[in-house]
Amino acid sequence: DTAVSQTPKYLVTQMGNDKSIKCEQNLGHDTMYWYKQDSKKFLKIMFSYNNKELIINETVPNRFSPKSPDKAHLNLHINSLELGDSAVYFCASSDGTSGSGEQFFGPGTRLTVL
Amino acid sequence: AQSVTQLDSQVPVFEEAPVELRCNYSSSVSVYLFWYVQYPNQGLQLLLKYLSGSTLVKGINGFEAEFNKSQTSFHLRKPSVHISDTAEYFCAVIPSNDYKLSFGAGTTVTVRA
Repeated sequence: DTAVSQTPKYLVTQMGNDKSIKCEQNLGHDTMYWYKQDSKKFLKIMFSYNNKELIINETVPNRFSPKSPDKAHLNLHINSLELGDSAVYFCASSDGTSGSGEQFFGPGTRLTVL
Repeated sequence: AQSVTQLDSQVPVFEEAPVELRCNYSSSVSVYLFWYVQYPNQGLQLLLKYLSGSTLVKGINGFEAEFNKSQTSFHLRKPSVHISDTAEYFCAVIPSNDYKLSFGAGTTVTVRA
Protein backbone atom coordinates (compact mmCIF):
# COMPACT_ATOMS: atom_id res chain seq x y z
CA ASP A 1 0.00 0.00 0.00
CA THR A 2 1.26 3.44 -0.92
CA ALA A 3 1.84 5.53 2.20
CA VAL A 4 1.85 8.99 0.60
CA SER A 5 0.43 9.27 -2.88
CA GLN A 6 0.24 12.21 -5.26
CA THR A 7 -1.70 12.78 -8.44
CA PRO A 8 -0.83 13.46 -11.13
CA LYS A 9 2.76 12.26 -11.44
CA TYR A 10 3.37 14.51 -14.44
CA LEU A 11 1.61 17.75 -15.33
CA VAL A 12 2.32 19.74 -18.47
CA THR A 13 0.37 22.93 -18.97
CA GLN A 14 0.42 26.36 -20.54
CA MET A 15 1.28 29.63 -18.82
CA GLY A 16 -1.73 31.30 -17.27
CA ASN A 17 -3.63 28.09 -16.58
CA ASP A 18 -4.87 26.99 -13.16
CA LYS A 19 -3.99 23.50 -11.94
CA SER A 20 -4.25 21.36 -8.82
CA ILE A 21 -2.11 18.61 -7.35
CA LYS A 22 -3.63 16.17 -4.91
CA CYS A 23 -1.99 14.37 -2.00
CA GLU A 24 -3.28 11.62 0.24
CA GLN A 25 -1.64 9.75 3.08
CA ASN A 26 -2.86 6.55 4.70
CA LEU A 27 -0.43 6.58 7.63
CA GLY A 28 -2.80 8.19 10.10
CA HIS A 29 -0.52 11.21 10.41
CA ASP A 30 -1.89 14.56 11.45
CA THR A 31 0.68 16.82 9.79
CA MET A 32 1.17 17.24 6.04
CA TYR A 33 3.55 19.34 3.96
CA TRP A 34 4.21 20.65 0.47
CA TYR A 35 7.78 21.06 -0.75
CA LYS A 36 9.12 22.47 -4.01
CA GLN A 37 12.24 21.01 -5.62
CA ASP A 38 13.75 23.28 -8.25
CA SER A 39 15.84 22.36 -11.28
CA LYS A 40 18.99 22.36 -9.13
CA LYS A 41 17.31 19.84 -6.81
CA PHE A 42 17.07 22.31 -3.95
CA LEU A 43 14.17 21.44 -1.63
CA LYS A 44 12.18 24.10 0.14
CA ILE A 45 9.13 23.88 2.38
CA MET A 46 6.09 25.73 1.12
CA PHE A 47 3.23 24.88 3.46
CA SER A 48 2.31 22.63 6.34
CA TYR A 49 -1.02 21.68 7.86
CA ASN A 50 -1.66 20.08 11.23
CA ASN A 51 -5.15 18.65 11.67
CA LYS A 52 -6.42 20.83 8.82
CA GLU A 53 -4.89 23.98 10.31
CA LEU A 54 -2.19 25.90 8.43
CA ILE A 55 0.96 25.99 10.55
CA ILE A 56 3.71 26.81 8.06
CA ASN A 57 3.25 29.31 5.28
CA GLU A 58 6.56 30.24 3.73
CA THR A 59 7.15 33.14 1.39
CA VAL A 60 5.21 31.73 -1.52
CA PRO A 61 3.25 33.73 -4.13
CA ASN A 62 -0.41 33.91 -3.23
CA ARG A 63 -1.16 32.16 -6.53
CA PHE A 64 -0.40 29.03 -4.52
CA SER A 65 -3.19 27.95 -2.20
CA PRO A 66 -3.16 24.77 -0.14
CA LYS A 67 -6.38 23.14 0.94
CA SER A 68 -6.82 20.38 3.50
CA PRO A 69 -10.32 18.87 3.43
CA ASP A 70 -9.33 16.40 6.14
CA LYS A 71 -6.15 15.38 7.86
CA ALA A 72 -5.43 12.64 5.30
CA HIS A 73 -5.50 15.00 2.33
CA LEU A 74 -3.58 18.12 1.37
CA ASN A 75 -4.11 19.59 -2.07
CA LEU A 76 -2.19 22.36 -3.79
CA HIS A 77 -3.92 24.70 -6.18
CA ILE A 78 -1.90 27.01 -8.40
CA ASN A 79 -3.48 29.94 -10.23
CA SER A 80 -2.09 31.74 -13.28
CA LEU A 81 0.84 29.41 -13.76
CA GLU A 82 4.19 30.95 -14.67
CA LEU A 83 7.30 29.48 -16.26
CA GLY A 84 9.12 29.69 -12.91
CA ASP A 85 6.59 27.37 -11.33
CA SER A 86 8.10 24.47 -13.26
CA ALA A 87 9.50 22.14 -10.61
CA VAL A 88 8.87 18.89 -8.80
CA TYR A 89 6.38 19.24 -5.97
CA PHE A 90 6.56 16.79 -3.09
CA CYS A 91 3.93 16.09 -0.51
CA ALA A 92 4.98 14.68 2.87
CA SER A 93 3.40 13.70 6.15
CA SER A 94 4.52 13.15 9.72
CA ASP A 95 3.11 12.15 13.05
CA GLY A 96 2.76 14.96 15.52
CA THR A 97 4.07 18.48 15.51
CA SER A 98 7.50 18.00 17.02
CA GLY A 99 10.57 17.64 14.91
CA SER A 100 11.33 14.08 15.92
CA GLY A 101 8.65 12.73 13.63
CA GLU A 102 10.07 11.35 10.41
CA GLN A 103 8.55 12.92 7.34
CA PHE A 104 7.34 10.45 4.72
CA PHE A 105 7.47 11.75 1.17
CA GLY A 106 5.29 11.08 -1.81
CA PRO A 107 6.73 10.25 -5.27
CA GLY A 108 6.49 13.83 -6.47
CA THR A 109 4.60 15.67 -9.20
CA ARG A 110 6.71 17.04 -12.02
CA LEU A 111 5.07 20.27 -13.21
CA THR A 112 6.18 21.72 -16.55
CA VAL A 113 4.82 25.11 -17.55
CA LEU A 114 5.21 25.93 -21.26
CA ALA B 1 16.80 30.03 12.11
CA GLN B 2 18.79 27.02 11.06
CA SER B 3 20.81 26.23 7.96
CA VAL B 4 22.47 23.18 6.45
CA THR B 5 25.61 23.06 4.34
CA GLN B 6 26.55 20.02 2.33
CA LEU B 7 30.17 20.51 1.51
CA ASP B 8 30.34 18.35 -1.61
CA SER B 9 27.97 18.84 -4.50
CA GLN B 10 29.19 15.80 -6.40
CA VAL B 11 31.01 12.69 -5.22
CA PRO B 12 32.15 10.14 -7.81
CA VAL B 13 33.20 6.84 -6.28
CA PHE B 14 34.13 3.39 -7.48
CA GLU B 15 32.08 0.35 -6.57
CA GLU B 16 33.10 -1.27 -3.27
CA ALA B 17 35.02 1.85 -2.20
CA PRO B 18 34.04 3.79 0.93
CA VAL B 19 32.20 7.08 0.72
CA GLU B 20 31.73 9.98 3.11
CA LEU B 21 29.25 12.81 2.57
CA ARG B 22 29.81 15.87 4.68
CA CYS B 23 27.10 17.92 6.34
CA ASN B 24 27.40 20.89 8.67
CA TYR B 25 24.56 22.78 10.27
CA SER B 26 23.97 25.93 12.25
CA SER B 27 21.16 26.55 14.69
CA SER B 28 20.47 28.64 17.77
CA VAL B 29 18.43 25.81 19.35
CA SER B 30 18.86 22.07 19.65
CA VAL B 31 18.02 20.16 16.51
CA TYR B 32 17.22 16.77 15.12
CA LEU B 33 19.23 15.63 12.09
CA PHE B 34 18.31 13.49 9.12
CA TRP B 35 19.79 12.05 5.97
CA TYR B 36 17.44 11.36 3.07
CA VAL B 37 18.19 9.64 -0.25
CA GLN B 38 16.49 10.39 -3.56
CA TYR B 39 16.92 7.80 -6.29
CA PRO B 40 16.44 9.02 -9.86
CA ASN B 41 12.88 10.14 -10.55
CA GLN B 42 11.68 9.08 -7.13
CA GLY B 43 10.66 10.68 -3.84
CA LEU B 44 12.80 10.98 -0.74
CA GLN B 45 13.46 8.07 1.57
CA LEU B 46 14.84 8.37 5.08
CA LEU B 47 18.28 6.78 5.52
CA LEU B 48 18.78 7.58 9.19
CA LYS B 49 18.11 10.15 11.87
CA TYR B 50 19.68 11.48 15.04
CA LEU B 51 17.35 12.53 17.82
CA SER B 52 19.40 11.92 20.99
CA GLY B 53 21.62 9.35 22.66
CA SER B 54 24.49 7.61 20.90
CA THR B 55 26.18 9.92 18.44
CA LEU B 56 26.78 7.07 15.96
CA VAL B 57 23.59 6.31 14.12
CA LYS B 58 23.07 3.33 11.86
CA GLY B 59 20.60 3.47 9.03
CA ILE B 60 19.34 1.42 6.14
CA ASN B 61 21.42 -0.02 3.31
CA GLY B 62 24.63 -0.07 5.37
CA PHE B 63 24.82 3.69 5.93
CA GLU B 64 25.82 5.30 9.21
CA ALA B 65 26.33 8.84 10.41
CA GLU B 66 28.06 10.48 13.32
CA PHE B 67 26.71 13.50 15.15
CA ASN B 68 29.41 15.85 16.38
CA LYS B 69 27.92 18.63 18.46
CA SER B 70 31.14 20.61 18.91
CA GLN B 71 31.75 20.67 15.16
CA THR B 72 28.02 20.92 14.34
CA SER B 73 28.44 18.15 11.83
CA PHE B 74 26.51 15.05 10.80
CA HIS B 75 28.61 13.25 8.19
CA LEU B 76 27.25 10.19 6.38
CA ARG B 77 29.41 7.18 5.62
CA LYS B 78 29.25 3.82 3.92
CA PRO B 79 32.24 1.46 3.98
CA SER B 80 31.54 -0.15 0.61
CA VAL B 81 29.19 1.29 -2.00
CA HIS B 82 27.20 -0.46 -4.71
CA ILE B 83 26.12 0.73 -8.12
CA SER B 84 22.60 0.96 -6.67
CA ASP B 85 23.76 3.67 -4.23
CA THR B 86 23.90 6.13 -7.12
CA ALA B 87 21.48 8.83 -5.98
CA GLU B 88 21.07 12.29 -4.53
CA TYR B 89 21.65 12.53 -0.79
CA PHE B 90 20.16 15.27 1.36
CA CYS B 91 21.08 16.29 4.87
CA ALA B 92 18.26 17.96 6.79
CA VAL B 93 17.77 19.59 10.16
CA ILE B 94 14.71 20.44 12.21
CA PRO B 95 14.52 22.38 15.49
CA SER B 96 13.53 20.13 18.37
CA ASN B 97 10.50 22.32 19.11
CA ASP B 98 9.36 22.76 15.52
CA TYR B 99 8.45 20.85 12.38
CA LYS B 100 10.06 23.02 9.73
CA LEU B 101 12.60 20.80 7.98
CA SER B 102 15.49 22.60 6.30
CA PHE B 103 17.45 20.75 3.63
CA GLY B 104 20.99 21.07 2.39
CA ALA B 105 21.60 21.54 -1.32
CA GLY B 106 22.21 17.84 -1.84
CA THR B 107 25.18 15.68 -2.84
CA THR B 108 25.09 13.66 -6.04
CA VAL B 109 26.79 10.31 -5.57
CA THR B 110 27.74 8.46 -8.73
CA VAL B 111 29.06 4.94 -8.27
CA ARG B 112 31.09 3.51 -11.13
CA ALA B 113 32.11 -0.08 -11.76
